[in-house]
Amino acid sequence: NAGVTQTPKFRVLKTGQSMTLLCAQDMNHEYMYWYRQDPGMGLRLIHYSVGEGTTAKGEVPDGYNVSRLKKQNFLLGLESAAPSQTSVYFCASSYPVPAEQRTDTQYFGPGTRLTVL
Amino acid sequence: EDQVTQSPEALRLQEGESSSLNCSYTVSGLRGLFWYRQDPGKGPEFLFTLYSAGEEKEKERLKATLTKKESFLHITAPKPEDSATYLCAVQAWGSSNTGKLIFGQGTTLQVKP
Repeated sequence: NAGVTQTPKFRVLKTGQSMTLLCAQDMNHEYMYWYRQDPGMGLRLIHYSVGEGTTAKGEVPDGYNVSRLKKQNFLLGLESAAPSQTSVYFCASSYPVPAEQRTDTQYFGPGTRLTVL
Repeated sequence: EDQVTQSPEALRLQEGESSSLNCSYTVSGLRGLFWYRQDPGKGPEFLFTLYSAGEEKEKERLKATLTKKESFLHITAPKPEDSATYLCAVQAWGSSNTGKLIFGQGTTLQVKP
């Protein structure tokens, strides 16, 4: 049981290049999330998904796209990378419980450190 | 607007010197408050969830408490291996169908031997 895994661990891009970050979870979780973490800014939600085939915007979605074609995978794409997208990216997943029950817990992957030159 | 503020930003302790980290929050109906630990170069690791004022949870040298406006993470007789960044997050009832969390900026704890 690997939990949440992320590929790649590190990447350096030049401005204007594109790339896709892959998140995979083996816990049969419905919900998945992409965050970015910058010094002094905490974790900020980029996009999220509440189920296979669904995606929604988070707090800082501009410049990113996502896809959830399979329940276990959540992809984050950068179509034209910019230096402002230099950050550490974390994926998380959770299993939803009914609203009246105690809340679900998000479990995080190890992160991808991205540098855009 | 839902918001989470953690203080202090950084804390240095001597081994064995107990202290507390603070997480203040404003949220339109608290469904849960989470504490995570994050080691350098790694993803956040879940520690606790608190649901209602007065609730307390413990794990080894850590104890988390909750009031209607803030949560404290008490560290008793810390050891160098407790050095990490501690993150606080809240989930509002309005986010119950998305699971979304709002995170604070974190407190970086350094425990010196």
